Amino acid sequence: KAGVTQTPRYLIKTRGQQVTLSCSPISGHRSVSWYQQTPGQGLQFLFEYFSETQRNKGNFPGRFSGRQFSNSRSEMNVSTLELGDSALYLCASSGQGSGETQYFGPGTRLLVL
Amino acid sequence: DQQVKQNSPSLSVQEGRISILNCDYTNSMFDYFLWYKKYPAEGPTFLISISSIKDKNEDGRFTVFLNKSAKHLSLHIVPSQPGDSAVYFCAASGVSNYQLIWGAGTKLIIKP
Repeated sequence: KAGVTQTPRYLIKTRGQQVTLSCSPISGHRSVSWYQQTPGQGLQFLFEYFSETQRNKGNFPGRFSGRQFSNSRSEMNVSTLELGDSALYLCASSGQGSGETQYFGPGTRLLVL
Repeated sequence: DQQVKQNSPSLSVQEGRISILNCDYTNSMFDYFLWYKKYPAEGPTFLISISSIKDKNEDGRFTVFLNKSAKHLSLHIVPSQPGDSAVYFCAASGVSNYQLIWGAGTKLIIKP
């Protein structure tokens, strides 16, 4: 089975711009979670989607949003980028999402200048 | 309120010796625990898990121990190898929770 894929792998944006990141889960997985990791920090949970519905949301501002498509692919959008949004954004998929083992993609490294 | 805590930010171990990484949790409703390994600029890789009905799970060089009364779990790596140098995260979940709750991670350094 192919693993979780994320595109793009690297991205450079400037403050005020917006960005969309994409995640394709493992075939058959219906749950997709998004995380942010900044240098020296653990994984900060952004949100989780299951069957096109957001089931859970972390403590991030409304500038961070996401969606999931009928094929379980997911996108994450960040609007009005700030310098502090520079981070590694990780996507993870699991079958049902109810605390199952999550499998991670390689991440998208976002740099905001 | 940190529900999953990894109190050691880093740990240095001699190659060939045992590495012991610790994790404490506060939520008694957690019933599934996982350990992940992460290299810089990569996504975490699943290592090993344990459910609350067990107190030990072993997979090759990796063993996870769960002490429910102390709300504590540990990951033992024996023998430690240079490729084990990475950040290790523990995570936990409960039956009614749709997300994994993560610790802050422990950086393991294996010295030659």
